[in-house]
Amino acid sequence: AQSVTQLDSQVPVFEEAPVELRCNYSSSVSVYLFWYVQYPNQGLQLLLKYLSGSTLVKGINGFEAEFNKSQTSFHLRKPSVHISDTAEYFCAVSSGDMEYGNKLVFGAGTILRVKS
Amino acid sequence: DSGVTQTPKHLITATGQRVTLRCSPRSGDLSVYWYQQSLDQGLQFLIQYYNGEERAKGNILERFSAQQFPDLHSELNLSSLELGDSALYFCASSVGIVSTYEQYFGPGTRLTVT
Repeated sequence: AQSVTQLDSQVPVFEEAPVELRCNYSSSVSVYLFWYVQYPNQGLQLLLKYLSGSTLVKGINGFEAEFNKSQTSFHLRKPSVHISDTAEYFCAVSSGDMEYGNKLVFGAGTILRVKS
Repeated sequence: DSGVTQTPKHLITATGQRVTLRCSPRSGDLSVYWYQQSLDQGLQFLIQYYNGEERAKGNILERFSAQQFPDLHSELNLSSLELGDSALYFCASSVGIVSTYEQYFGPGTRLTVT
């Protein structure tokens, strides 16, 4: 079975400061990893994904994430946040094994609050 | 705008009732997924269809059912509704069934059971 743990339920940060949102996963098979963002009253939007290759993945809006297989982590980072980054962020895992299907298993979410 | 449409946007109904949520995938996408987002359970996968056939099932209650029609739109039917079914229901679509294909999410249907 696959699972995702997002270590922080809320992360407050000042505008223009760096931020890291932490995500750890558990899986017995190879995985693909994703970060989604949900703005208030909206659906989920894909920020970035790791499928294979380089462990440093760059996404939209200046976000990046690093896949660490030994630590089973996929932390999301941004060097300088803006007020508009205030949202809820979800880490998700999908199996690379067709037998398990390609459903997304989500973490509980981390609310990023950017303060001025 | 992801290209995935869901109707209705909001739905308020009473316990014991039955409702149908509708989803139209992005043009060209063959795979449709349903997810439930609630405060106590978080975001959970319910069911997936690919080109009209059920492909994968998650924690979907027996009171819930879904189908995908020949025009590829999908409906999620929720019956004998309980207060705990109040949640945001998302539909997502992707081109295929392999995980490398991105899932695009609709805006959701907010269901309130009173």
